[in-house]
Amino acid sequence: EDQVTQSPEALRLQEGESSSLNCSYTVSGLRGLFWYRQDPGKGPEFLFTLYSAGEEKEKERLKATLTKKESFLHITAPKPEDSATYLCAVQGPSNTGKLIFGQGTTLQVKP
Amino acid sequence: NAGVTQTPKFQVLKTGQSMTLQCAQDMNHEYMSWYRQDPGMGLRLIHYSVGAGITDQGEVPNGYNVSRSTTEDFPLRLLSAAPSQTSVYFCASSYRGASGDYTFGSGTRLTVV
Repeated sequence: EDQVTQSPEALRLQEGESSSLNCSYTVSGLRGLFWYRQDPGKGPEFLFTLYSAGEEKEKERLKATLTKKESFLHITAPKPEDSATYLCAVQGPSNTGKLIFGQGTTLQVKP
Repeated sequence: NAGVTQTPKFQVLKTGQSMTLQCAQDMNHEYMSWYRQDPGMGLRLIHYSVGAGITDQGEVPNGYNVSRSTTEDFPLRLLSAAPSQTSVYFCASSYRGASGDYTFGSGTRLTVV
């Protein structure tokens, strides 16, 4: 059964304190791994797609990496506006658009 | 360009009532999906569609129906509402499902009493 597990559930950082969020996955034939950001009361917003082990993507203070079993979202020198819930999702081999989401990591960055 | 529009934003239903959650997108996206989001459960796929006239079940389809008569619209119907269907519902669409870059609506918060 395809499964996605994110850790930690919640993370509190001081502004400027770098850290990483983890996404472990089990899927038969990974077609893609995706990171989303969700602000309270809003729908998720797409951040990155990673297709194969070793791939990296960057956007401002965020950097996503992928191995054969997990993905990391590295946050460098975070700011309070980076506070949000970060969701990880995977898609299996069939191109049906079926995404399996993890439970998310809620990040709070204090000034 | 409105993106993905969901209506209503809030709804309270009595047990046994039926209703339709509306979802419309103006981006000519082929892939559309419905998710529900519950505390501690993450986003769970209810139904999805890869194009007009094509729908399939996701992870938690029981109690819900969908149809896709046009590319733009993907309504979700609750047949007989139950308290277990209290949740936040999100509709999402993508041009190419494999790229994972779905655009989500702002959600419908449904309470069943």
